[in-house]
Amino acid sequence: GAVVSQHPSWVICKSGTSVKIECRSLDFQATTMFWYRQFPKQSLMLMATSNEGSKATYEQGVEKDKFLINHASLTLSTLTVTSAHPEDSSFYICSATASIAGHTDTQYFGPGTRLTVL
Amino acid sequence: AQSVSQHNHHVILSEAASLELGCNYSYGGTVNLFWYVQYPGQHLQLLLKYFSGDPLVKGIKGFEAEFIKSKFSFNLRKPSVQWSDTAEYFCAVHGRSQGNLIFGKGTKLSVKP
Repeated sequence: GAVVSQHPSWVICKSGTSVKIECRSLDFQATTMFWYRQFPKQSLMLMATSNEGSKATYEQGVEKDKFLINHASLTLSTLTVTSAHPEDSSFYICSATASIAGHTDTQYFGPGTRLTVL
Repeated sequence: AQSVSQHNHHVILSEAASLELGCNYSYGGTVNLFWYVQYPGQHLQLLLKYFSGDPLVKGIKGFEAEFIKSKFSFNLRKPSVQWSDTAEYFCAVHGRSQGNLIFGKGTKLSVKP
């Protein structure tokens, strides 16, 4: 149980284009979804937190107009990297907490999406 | 500010050796503590967690961790590692009053067969 998927697993795009990454909770309803970014040999850095039906809360230093987050349902959140540039190349990971007693404080992680911007 | 430090960047052990990975955090309030594991080519998986109660927590695959409040530590242990334990291990802390999950930089464990 508590499986989170991401799509695509790897995407290569040209500079200036936009890329959408999907995060789905497959077997549970997610009260909250999180988006992280991981640089090589570094830890995960939280980008934003989103609750279904409301605006995402972005961490300091994360441009909300560049990293658009939509959390349209209890099982789907999307991250759109707008006008991507090579410095946006990274590994993006989502996680979700379940609206199940005993699991609301535990994040379950997706497999990540590797974005390469040429 | 809340932070998590993992003392070892890379640990190399032989099979059957005992393992202890250090994790210390800084946070003034009550915390939830987690260890996640990332096997090669796979995503982060929850190994164990501590919210309250017995400070010695048992997780999957024979791992355990002990929360020592006075030392702000949550070290991960396993008495006898296997080659299949080769992975990267992340300690994470969630300050209950502020909601973010903060990760350590990870410890890569390599187990030699």
